[in-house]
Amino acid sequence: NAGVMQNPRHLVRRRGQEARLRCSPMKGHSHVYWYRQLPEEGLKFMVYLQKENIIDESGMPKERFSAEFPKEGPSILRIQQVVRGDSAAYFCASSLQGADTQYFGPGTRLTVL
Amino acid sequence: DAKTTQPPSMDCAEGRAANLPCNHSTISGNEYVYWYRQIHSQGPQYIIHGLKNNETNEMASLIITEDRKSSTLILPHATLRDTAVYYCIVRVVNGGSNYKLTFGKGTLLTVNP
Repeated sequence: NAGVMQNPRHLVRRRGQEARLRCSPMKGHSHVYWYRQLPEEGLKFMVYLQKENIIDESGMPKERFSAEFPKEGPSILRIQQVVRGDSAAYFCASSLQGADTQYFGPGTRLTVL
Repeated sequence: DAKTTQPPSMDCAEGRAANLPCNHSTISGNEYVYWYRQIHSQGPQYIIHGLKNNETNEMASLIITEDRKSSTLILPHATLRDTAVYYCIVRVVNGGSNYKLTFGKGTLLTVNP
């Protein structure tokens, strides 16, 4: 049973470019969560999605960041016009139900030059 | 979610049991205790969770005090690969909207040869 998959594992972008991070949940899971871990800091919740719905995006910056989880395909976290402060590890987690145990992927490490 | 307190760091000799404490004195009756760990640069790994009874799985044991104000995660035979930051998290399960995991600073467990 494959775990949560994330790609790419490493992403380098120049300031002003767009970053797209993908997350495929565990088989059978329809709830996805994105967390961000800035250097030397703890993980912070960003957004919670179910298929085709954003349930809670209270942890996501108001500008430049968006997330989606379409009916088909992976969840996407999109960061437009990246800045150096966006450099971080972005982790995706999934669960069977909204209050169930969350299982994390390996993360995508974004570096903004 | 209730706040948790963990020691910032601990050491353990390889092959010995590692006992990681967590205080959660304001825990509510419907809040579970969850443990995750993060090995350097990897995604958080779910270890175990419990409500009031002691729990054991293939990775670890969780001992929760009778008043539920504290708990201990036990790795029975620590190996070098268990070196990681261990997070104790308290959250409501099966109801409510507490799907966000709140990661504190955790305990850095270093297993020494």
